[in-house]
Amino acid sequence: AQTVTQSQPEMSVQEAETVTLSCTYDTSESDYYLFWYKQPPSRQMILVIRQEAYKQQNATENRFSVNFQKAAKSFSLKISDSQLGDAAMYFCAYRQIQGAQKLVFGQGTRLTINP
Amino acid sequence: DSGVTQTPKHLITATGQRVTLRCSPRSGDLSVYWYQQSLDQGLQFLIQYYNGEERAKGNILERFSAQQFPDLHSELNLSSLELGDSALYFCASRRTGTGHGYTFGSGTRLTVV
Repeated sequence: AQTVTQSQPEMSVQEAETVTLSCTYDTSESDYYLFWYKQPPSRQMILVIRQEAYKQQNATENRFSVNFQKAAKSFSLKISDSQLGDAAMYFCAYRQIQGAQKLVFGQGTRLTINP
Repeated sequence: DSGVTQTPKHLITATGQRVTLRCSPRSGDLSVYWYQQSLDQGLQFLIQYYNGEERAKGNILERFSAQQFPDLHSELNLSSLELGDSALYFCASRRTGTGHGYTFGSGTRLTVV
C-alpha cells in the first residue's frame, strides 16, 4: 500500500521569506500523481500544486514550486515570498493512475507566518 | 465556492444515533469520494462512487454506508454513532480521465456527544 510521510508537524517562517515543506512517499508504481493541498482555518481543502510523476520538470505555480526527486521518492514544496495568507495546514498527497485513484494523504504540516 | 456542495455544515448528535451527510458534486463530475478527517487519523479515504456505482472502499466502518443517486448526488450514512466518529467529513468530486484533479467541498463537521 502507498504511504505518504510528512516529517515536519509544524513549521514557521518570517513574512517575505522562503520556506520548504518536506514530503516522502512509498510506492511500487512507476506512474502516479503527487499533490500539495492547503487547508486554512476555514477547513476548505485547496489544491496548491500538482506533479505528474512521468514529468521530470518540477511544477511551479506562482510563488509555489516543488522539488520532485522520483528516485528518492521525495516531493517537497517551496513557498517563496511567504505571505500571511499562506498560514495553513499543508497536506502532501499521492494518487495512483490506475484503480481507485483515491488520494493518500500525509499527516500534514502546520505552517505559521510571522509578521 | 468550489462547486461541490456539502450539507449540513455542522451536525451535533448523540451516541447511538444515525445521521446522513449529503454531497452534490461539481457539474459534470461523475466520481464522488468521501474522506474522514479526524485529529488522530488525519485524512482517510472512505469510499468512492462513479456514476451511481461503488468503485472502491477504504477504511470505512460497517456502521457506515453510502450511495450515489441518478442525479449524481451522494449520501454518507453513519449509524450507531460513537464518540470516536466525531470528525470532519469531506466529499470530493472529479471528472473522468486520469489528468483531472479533485474538487473538495467545505466539509461537514460531525460532533457526537
